[in-house]
Amino acid sequence: QSVLTQPPSVSAAPGQKVTISCSGSSSNIESNYVSWYQQLPGTAPKLLIYENTERPSGIPDRFSGSKSGTSATLGITGLQTGDEADYYCGTWDTSLSANYVFGTGTKVTVL
Amino acid sequence: QVQLVQSGAEVKKPGSSVKVSCKASGGTFSTHGINWVRQAPGQGLEWMGGIIPIFGTANYAQKFRGKVTITADESTNTAYMEVSSLTSEDTAMYYCARDRQQLVVGNWFDSWGQGTLVSVSS
Repeated sequence: QSVLTQPPSVSAAPGQKVTISCSGSSSNIESNYVSWYQQLPGTAPKLLIYENTERPSGIPDRFSGSKSGTSATLGITGLQTGDEADYYCGTWDTSLSANYVFGTGTKVTVL
Repeated sequence: QVQLVQSGAEVKKPGSSVKVSCKASGGTFSTHGINWVRQAPGQGLEWMGGIIPIFGTANYAQKFRGKVTITADESTNTAYMEVSSLTSEDTAMYYCARDRQQLVVGNWFDSWGQGTLVSVSS
């Protein structure tokens, strides 16, 4: 069971905006950088956001990240059918069992 | 950008072991962490552990200590992940993923292997 909680699903029409929350604690999100990954059906995950807000080269600015306290958020604007995928947040957890943790995952559906 | 190529799918009997490889090309291998991530069928991502090849010592998630062994061979730019005492619950897709920053494990993963499906069945 993950220590990072995400909504199971979000949906919106093409062209609209969705936000995905990632809720954690002081031992993970609050004290470490958050990254976000997109997993298209049947493929390996792909890095979308790192260091809370930064986009790797090639990732469109429709994708954005933010962090406040023990929560982080991924935003997707101008939703496209190709954005239908599972999205995961991730960060290091500095509790006793120090390890990297992923969020529970969110399925984005384009209506 | 670094490319990670993993070994092929495996079918194993309960109680046996499996060793998956992850070969890196196109970038620096030794100083970037290589992590292993498990995804059971229909489930989310789970970090198993990682290694910085130049140091050679792996860091494991508590759940996988004693169950998984992660190693790296700098001479061939290849990392390995071995799972022992397999059960049906180990049936999953296993991914390797490289840390973008050097000399850390579990920062953020900018390159991923294609995945290796391990099926455990009697």
